Amino acid sequence: GAGVSQSPSNKVTEKGKDVELRCDPISGHTALYWYRQSLGQGLEFLIYFQGNSAPDKSGLPSDRFSAERTGGSVSTLTIQRTQQEDSAVYLCASSPSSGTPSGNTIYFGEGSWLTVV
Amino acid sequence: DQQVKQNSPSLSVQEGRISILNCDYTNSMFDYFLWYKKYPAEGPTFLISISSIKDKNEDGRFTVFLNKSAKHLSLHIVPSQPGDSAVYFCAASAGSSNTGKLIFGQGTTLQVKP
Repeated sequence: GAGVSQSPSNKVTEKGKDVELRCDPISGHTALYWYRQSLGQGLEFLIYFQGNSAPDKSGLPSDRFSAERTGGSVSTLTIQRTQQEDSAVYLCASSPSSGTPSGNTIYFGEGSWLTVV
Repeated sequence: DQQVKQNSPSLSVQEGRISILNCDYTNSMFDYFLWYKKYPAEGPTFLISISSIKDKNEDGRFTVFLNKSAKHLSLHIVPSQPGDSAVYFCAASAGSSNTGKLIFGQGTTLQVKP
């Protein structure tokens, strides 16, 4: 597709289960970002990929969170043993390159809504 | 530690009037600032940006002002239209980080009344 694609768009899971969220960036975009927006909060940075490597994973909240990117394209964010506080919208963004951002080259997906019950 | 703050969670203005959304930051290393607009169930979309070497950038009805000494930026929308009703996020980046990572504020919900 033309834009950043995320799946699933909605996910309800039971506390303690693992979930995987997928991001398909715009073709050719080397930089990929994961953000999280909890209710009433701003967008919280989680992790940044340049190609398949993650030089900045400083925003991952705990070791229950991990992410990988393969083939310089699709990325998967995995949350193990989900907790209720993990409920949020998880947003993926991609950009043609890293470095100083130009706003009109960072594209966000529509997000994956995660609800942990 | 909230490095980018939007202290007004909501703002309501009349159609045709000016909307002013404010944002404060604490990190003096930030050198690039952006505003994003977000509609419900959609991802944020870029609106306008400004580099720290400027104090104003204008694009149509949207103008962003940067006051570096006060570590404050604002977004002016004039005239405001009902279609502008959305959540507005300001974001900042430190070029020295070389990652393009953005630090976002909490967002301000703008309602423009017809």
